[in-house]
Amino acid sequence: GNSVTQMEGPVTLSEEAFLTINCTYTATGYPSLFWYVQYPGEGLQLLLKATKADDKGSNKGFEATYRKETTSFHLEKGSVQVSDSAVYFCALRSTNAGKSTFGDGTTLTVKP
Amino acid sequence: DTAVSQTPKYLVTQMGNDKSIKCEQNLGHDTMYWYKQDSKKFLKIMFSYNNKELIINETVPNRFSPKSPDKAHLNLHINSLELGDSAVYFCASSLVGGAGENIQYFGAGTRLSVL
Repeated sequence: GNSVTQMEGPVTLSEEAFLTINCTYTATGYPSLFWYVQYPGEGLQLLLKATKADDKGSNKGFEATYRKETTSFHLEKGSVQVSDSAVYFCALRSTNAGKSTFGDGTTLTVKP
Repeated sequence: DTAVSQTPKYLVTQMGNDKSIKCEQNLGHDTMYWYKQDSKKFLKIMFSYNNKELIINETVPNRFSPKSPDKAHLNLHINSLELGDSAVYFCASSLVGGAGENIQYFGAGTRLSVL
């Protein structure tokens, strides 16, 4: 079956630090890959996505590249802000699956 | 205009009670979901409906019963509430196979506390 493994948290960084949250996956077929973000007290919302190998998703300064050879979709941001403090979920959706598979979430805290 | 709205936002109740959570989406999506998020933020899918038909039922106690009166609504009824049911419940919707490429849109969550 499909699975997503992401870096365990919590992660604590100072403002303007570089962020990487690792995500690897196993899946049948050719999945689409997603990063969702959950701000405190809110539901999840899509941060970025990539639908095929070598695609790069980007949004709000965050980036992730779909790497088929390493089955990875690591999230990066060059300079984090306090407002980026949230829980980040990596997810995949196979074309033949009726549901998305989510990772366990990584809590990021950015301190001023 | 809230795309996926669920009510109530907070629900505090005694063990053994029966309660319902309602969800509505105005996005024109054909698939709706219920997820449970525990205190460690782990997200677990419970149910999924496509065009009012149940397509996913993930080993959830039969005290939980989803109902989808139409494509825009998916309600969750819970009988005989237990302490372990305390969690945040999220409703979500998506358009399967559409241009949105299965992006899921989540409600703001219902925080259930069973005392």
